[in-house]
Amino acid sequence: AQSVTQLGSHVSVSEGALVLLRCNYSSSVPPYLFWYVQYPNQGLQLLLKYTSAATLVKGINGFEAEFKKSETSFHLTKPSAHMSDAAEYFCAVSENDYKLSFGAGTTVTVRA
Amino acid sequence: ETGVTQTPRHLVMGMTNKKSLKCEQHLGHNAMYWYKQSAKKPLELMFVYNFKEQTENNSVPSRFSPECPNSSHLFLHLHTLQPEDSALYLCASSPRRAGRGNTIYFGEGSWLTVV
Repeated sequence: AQSVTQLGSHVSVSEGALVLLRCNYSSSVPPYLFWYVQYPNQGLQLLLKYTSAATLVKGINGFEAEFKKSETSFHLTKPSAHMSDAAEYFCAVSENDYKLSFGAGTTVTVRA
Repeated sequence: ETGVTQTPRHLVMGMTNKKSLKCEQHLGHNAMYWYKQSAKKPLELMFVYNFKEQTENNSVPSRFSPECPNSSHLFLHLHTLQPEDSALYLCASSPRRAGRGNTIYFGEGSWLTVV
């Protein structure tokens, strides 16, 4: 079975600082990995996904994630945080062609 | 704006009421899902439908009854719920191509409060 672990349920950054959200996965097959974002009072929106092509994946809103097989990680980064990045972020791994297993989520707050 | 529309966005119901949540997707997908999102818990997959057929039921109590009349519409019928069922219910859809990596698209959710 596949699973993900998000390290840190809450991350606080200053505006303009680096955003780093950690995700480690466990998978018995080559993983397909996703990052979703949930803004307040909204559903989940896809930020980016890794499907075994390039290990550095660029997503929307300036986010990117790097797949590192040796570390079983798929950490999400953004060089410079904006106030609008305040949201909850979910890492997920694809178990089959329709099912995702989600992490517990990391809430990001951005300080002015 | 999302290609997956959920109504109502907010619902308050008593424990003896019967109500329904509705979901419609405009993306031409053939798989639809109900997820439950409770505070401080991971997203829980409840039901999966593929081409109108239920393919997964994650041990959901029978007080939740899904219905999928076609590939574009999904309902969640609610009856005799408990206060602990209060949560955000998310509908989602995806293409159902063979192989992993299909993106799941979510609606904005229906906030349910059971009193």
